[in-house]
Amino acid sequence: DSGVTQTPKHLITATGQRVTLRCSPRSGDLSVYWYQQSLDQGLQFLIQYYNGEERAKGNILERFSAQQFPDLHSELNLSSLELGDSALYFCASSLDGGPRVNEQFFGPGTRLTVL
Amino acid sequence: GDSVTQMEGPVTLSEEAFLTINCTYTATGYPSLFWYVQYPGEGLQLLLKATKADDKGSNKGFEATYRKETTSFHLEKGSVQVSDSAVYFCALSGSARQLTFGSGTQLTVLP
Repeated sequence: DSGVTQTPKHLITATGQRVTLRCSPRSGDLSVYWYQQSLDQGLQFLIQYYNGEERAKGNILERFSAQQFPDLHSELNLSSLELGDSALYFCASSLDGGPRVNEQFFGPGTRLTVL
Repeated sequence: GDSVTQMEGPVTLSEEAFLTINCTYTATGYPSLFWYVQYPGEGLQLLLKATKADDKGSNKGFEATYRKETTSFHLEKGSVQVSDSAVYFCALSGSARQLTFGSGTQLTVLP
């Protein structure tokens, strides 16, 4: 158990809908990262938040957005969903300091299916 | 930009065989290098890491050495077990802290 929790575990929805994925980082970790894992694109970085502020953006679509709240949990919002958004979405957290800098701990993922 | 090239799979071995999964990278500066493992239906677990040239990361019998001259970080294990069956990902973290992953290698170990 990495200490990172994600809900829900599975999500099935229809095209055009909007969903919210939730992540709680490990206790003490200030950074949250979101990744998408799909068969055709592999594992891709989407976005990073550090202590409530956006720090880095990767291959994140304009239809997707995220935020990190004062209690450090994060939410990834996916809107106007398309079939191609079906994927496993992972959240990871890190301390971002000391000897374990860059070491990220992953949650179990949310499997999104868009029908 | 940063990239990781990983040995294509799937790889099938018999129990107690020697394992090598090749990984090479392209990055500016001095990235940290990682191997992550993903068991069926689970998230990624950090297997080992190395943060500078010539560092050797090791865990659970797996080893990988950070080779700057060949930009490689090959994963090895002397004697694999059935329980090692999983997907293995090589990854790097550069000045931007996010991870860049290879495509993953599916390992199946037969009894």
